[in-house]
Amino acid sequence: ETGVTQTPRHLVMGMTNKKSLKCEQHLGHNAMYWYKQSAKKPLELMFVYSLEERVENNSVPSRFSPECPNSSHLFLHLHTLQPEDSALYLCASSQPLSLAGANEQFFGPGTRLTVL
Amino acid sequence: DQQVKQNSPSLSVQEGRISILNCDYTNSMFDYFLWYKKYPAEGPTFLISISSIKDKNEDGRFTVFLNKSAKHLSLHIVPSQPGDSAVYFCAASGVGTSYGKLTFGQGTILTVHP
Repeated sequence: ETGVTQTPRHLVMGMTNKKSLKCEQHLGHNAMYWYKQSAKKPLELMFVYSLEERVENNSVPSRFSPECPNSSHLFLHLHTLQPEDSALYLCASSQPLSLAGANEQFFGPGTRLTVL
Repeated sequence: DQQVKQNSPSLSVQEGRISILNCDYTNSMFDYFLWYKKYPAEGPTFLISISSIKDKNEDGRFTVFLNKSAKHLSLHIVPSQPGDSAVYFCAASGVGTSYGKLTFGQGTILTVHP
């Protein structure tokens, strides 16, 4: 496997379900990101992890819970979601972060989530 | 308040001609800009970037131009090929923004006709 992989690619869940999205990067990066892309909207940054520590939480509801057990893996735990949470969830990784600016981010293919 | 805007939702171009995709930004703290390309069922792929100390960066058929005074950047693809048909996103970041944060535009759908 190369690059950034995400599983599952598609997920349908009810509002009372609990599920998790998984992301794995094989690029040797140590920064990882979760983005949400809703229809006809720009990509919205949700969370940033640098060296397995969360450094950005972009006002995301608590029904989304990220976990970064090591620099290669990132999870997004989902519980009691709403239909408006249906979207494409993208994971990305990059080289070490600095306050001086961004590095190119490499994206996975995304998980298409539908909440019924 | 959308800080990065791509005002053209779509663009249609003939194969072999030039494609010009535009992007405007409002935050004067942005100093690094990127273009990404996205095919259906795939994640965005990094294409080309430019720092604010430059006004042009070229990579093969792709050239990005930056006009800081107008807060405007554009991506030129010459010559355009059918395989270039995709959604193109511009993104921006800069000193003073938090860790690694990229602000994206809403995307422009490019269709290159054979």
